[in-house]
Amino acid sequence: GQQVMQIPQYQHVQEGEDFTTYCNSSTTLSNIQWYKQRPGGHPVFLIQLVKSGEVKKQKRLTFQFGEAKKNSSLHITATQTTDVGTYFCATKAAGNKLTFGGGTRVLVKP
Amino acid sequence: ETGVTQTPRHLVMGMTNKKSLKCEQHLGHNAMYWYKQSAKKPLELMFVYNFKEQTENNSVPSRFSPECPNSSHLFLHLHTLQPEDSALYLCASSQEAYSNQPQHFGDGTRLSIL
Repeated sequence: GQQVMQIPQYQHVQEGEDFTTYCNSSTTLSNIQWYKQRPGGHPVFLIQLVKSGEVKKQKRLTFQFGEAKKNSSLHITATQTTDVGTYFCATKAAGNKLTFGGGTRVLVKP
Repeated sequence: ETGVTQTPRHLVMGMTNKKSLKCEQHLGHNAMYWYKQSAKKPLELMFVYNFKEQTENNSVPSRFSPECPNSSHLFLHLHTLQPEDSALYLCASSQEAYSNQPQHFGDGTRLSIL
């Protein structure tokens, strides 16, 4: 079935620096959802992208959907310790069920 | 966020025990889901219920038996589990299954099989 691959699997970031995590697919995606899971917590919906080339911002987080709708990125500026967690992308796979990527686990060095 | 409540939060059981996980959502949603999350695997969808009807069984072993008595409640009955079944079991809900609506997750049940 359709899969989304997330890279990197782990991201160690110095507090205050920027970083980007990517979600890639070999097939065209109808949409992309992003979730954040804090350590010991549960996934929480952040945002959904639907249109080709769409860019959405939430404070220091910028989400982008690729022009070909085969990839998406999440860019975080001026990383803070509150950004620690695992970021998942998810998309509808065959049969219209939501399929999650493997996640990018973010660790912040103070 | 307390829209989706799962109990118990932690469960330790032997391989011969029978136990049940409970999920309740207070969001007025019509779809509910069970996911398995283990240390080295992404979120694995197990079951989907849409308007109380099971619409997805993602090749889950029969030792896991779901039950959805109404749109607000979802159970996962466990019987004769294996050590590899130790994981975090997450319940989620959404307005409808197979739509673009986001899913809302509970805090999960951390299950350990002895």
